[in-house]
Amino acid sequence: TQLLEQSPQFLSIQEGENLTVYCNSSSVFSSLQWYRQEPGEGPVLLVTVVTGGEVKKLKRLTFQFGDARKDSSLHITAAQPGDTGLYLCAGAPMDTGRRALTFGSGTRLQVQP
Amino acid sequence: SQTIHQWPATLVQPVGSPLSLECTVEGTSNPNLYWYRQAAGRGLQLLFYSVGIGQISSEVPQNLSASRPQDRQFILSSKKLLLSDSGFYLCAWSIQDGGEQFFGPGTRLTVL
Repeated sequence: TQLLEQSPQFLSIQEGENLTVYCNSSSVFSSLQWYRQEPGEGPVLLVTVVTGGEVKKLKRLTFQFGDARKDSSLHITAAQPGDTGLYLCAGAPMDTGRRALTFGSGTRLQVQP
Repeated sequence: SQTIHQWPATLVQPVGSPLSLECTVEGTSNPNLYWYRQAAGRGLQLLFYSVGIGQISSEVPQNLSASRPQDRQFILSSKKLLLSDSGFYLCAWSIQDGGEQFFGPGTRLTVL
């Protein structure tokens, strides 16, 4: 069982469309991180959300942390081909004492020009 | 500034052969270090992490091992590779537990 479930697993859309990616868990997290990974490279951090209910914007990307700090979403407005990649959420659950991050299974986004 | 290096970038090895992947970090001291494996287009599976020299935590039982002989050096090894060891191996570092992780460029391993 995956501690962090991401949906959808794969998304193919046309340039200019909007989309939302979800990251859900039954565990509470002190913070959640979102990374983007391009083929053949390591993931790169996009944002960290810390406070329940927090909303952070990064240009056309909007990140939200759930009130109960168990879930997060990433919304992209007017997607562009440069947004193509694998989006990963990650966090350290508070109830396990685990020191390392747990990563979600990822959402692969393809934006067609 | 901090940088992280991994080598080799790609590797093709026969089943049963040994493995040694190296990761080094520059520009920081006493980092947490991590080894991940990633199947094609999927998420990251944590293999090992280390909070200091000689301190290794293993996440999953397997025929791989890790060592941290120096503060900023992390090595992933195997005595005998299996076909299932094929994948994309990523090294990462962080300043603190649960904090932002910075990833290396990865090693693509193919076991034939």
